[in-house]
Amino acid sequence: GAGVSQTPSNKVTEKGKYVELRCDPISGHTALYWYRQSLGQGPEFLIYFQGTGAADDSGLPNDRFFAVRPEGSVSTLKIQRTERGDSAVYLCASSLEGNNEQFFGPGTRLTVL
Amino acid sequence: GNSVTQMEGPVTLSEEAFLTINCTYTATGYPSLFWYVQYPGEGLQLLLKATKADDKGSNKGFEATYRKETTSFHLEKGSVQVSDSAVYFCALKDSGGGADGLTFGKGTHLIIQP
Repeated sequence: GAGVSQTPSNKVTEKGKYVELRCDPISGHTALYWYRQSLGQGPEFLIYFQGTGAADDSGLPNDRFFAVRPEGSVSTLKIQRTERGDSAVYLCASSLEGNNEQFFGPGTRLTVL
Repeated sequence: GNSVTQMEGPVTLSEEAFLTINCTYTATGYPSLFWYVQYPGEGLQLLLKATKADDKGSNKGFEATYRKETTSFHLEKGSVQVSDSAVYFCALKDSGGGADGLTFGKGTHLIIQP
């Protein structure tokens, strides 16, 4: 079956611009996670959704970052006023419920010039 | 807070060599422990896991034992193959009220030469 998909695969933007990154989880998975992976580092947790609600957003670095999941399926990570330090691979993962195996998407590589 | 420390890479071995990648952790609760693998050009995949002390996770010839006394979860394989070349990440998920996501180490790049 289809895995987690993320679009776009690559995004190049200029400092100060707004970007949206999309995640399509595996059908039927109620839990969805966003992570950020900088070069040479492991993924860092950003936010966790259970259904439509953000159950844990403790990893969001500041208020320029926001994520939504309005219908409990597709999620969008939104970054306002992008900075060069936001450049990273943004990973999405989903699982059947919060404590089950997380399945990761291929990621979106964001480059802020 | 939670943290995972794993050995720096790259680790270069010859085919059929014995592999150990060290991983130690710090957690506030009673974590579950994981090894994820990222093959070239692919996404992160779960390799194995252990959910409580003394559990052994195993898959594809890889093993790791949850050692609470040494807070470790070292990855081992008796005879590596070229196809094992990848980046390996140790991770934990805390059950003690910490963040709901996984906490990852920095990753260890493994290179197996024929």
